[in-house]
Amino acid sequence: LAKTTQPISMDSYEGQEVNITCSHNNIATNDYITWYQQFPSQGPRFIIQGYKTKVTNEVASLFIPADRKSSTLSLPRVSLSDTAVYYCLVGLTGGGNKLTFGTGTQLKVEL
Amino acid sequence: SAVISQKPSRDICQRGTSLTIQCQVDSQVTMMFWYRQQPGQSLTLIATANQGSEATYESGFVIDKFPISRPNLTFSTLTVSNMSPEDSSIYLCSVPGTGGRTQYFGPGTRLLVL
Repeated sequence: LAKTTQPISMDSYEGQEVNITCSHNNIATNDYITWYQQFPSQGPRFIIQGYKTKVTNEVASLFIPADRKSSTLSLPRVSLSDTAVYYCLVGLTGGGNKLTFGTGTQLKVEL
Repeated sequence: SAVISQKPSRDICQRGTSLTIQCQVDSQVTMMFWYRQQPGQSLTLIATANQGSEATYESGFVIDKFPISRPNLTFSTLTVSNMSPEDSSIYLCSVPGTGGRTQYFGPGTRLLVL
């Protein structure tokens, strides 16, 4: 599976947009990019998945450039409840495939 | 989405003892995964458990230390054997989501070994 690099931590304030970028230089042709969110004392939760260009759902947007060597998770107007660890995964990252978690990004949202 | 429960939610154990963690899913699934999350760390896959066959362990994890049972399509257990303080972690199970896009995780079992 492609190795991912993302910032260890980020700080933000309520109401701001947060962008977390993940680098995955050796992504393979068949790989998808998936983001999970983990709150303290809970298991990770799927946020969004994409292959190329832009994907948007009710929670976040995922921007993937043409070369797919990086991706950016965008959280609009964060609130205190968005404080969590965000993991970027690359590969066949759903269903019955093994998941390889990187270090993740600890997002802290303050008032 | 699948609803997953784990028992116990947390436990404190003495070194040298064993603990069996249960994972219950509200729907039938072929594959179940067991992960470990050490304090302040990311998740690491321990093994994949398929109903009706032996579990497949990842590098660094062995069956004698982490025996797994998979008696039916909605249930699995992971035993942490002969525990040491280094086994203090959160243990999570997960199952594939429909459509192959995601996995659903249980709430985890927080284990502290003294």
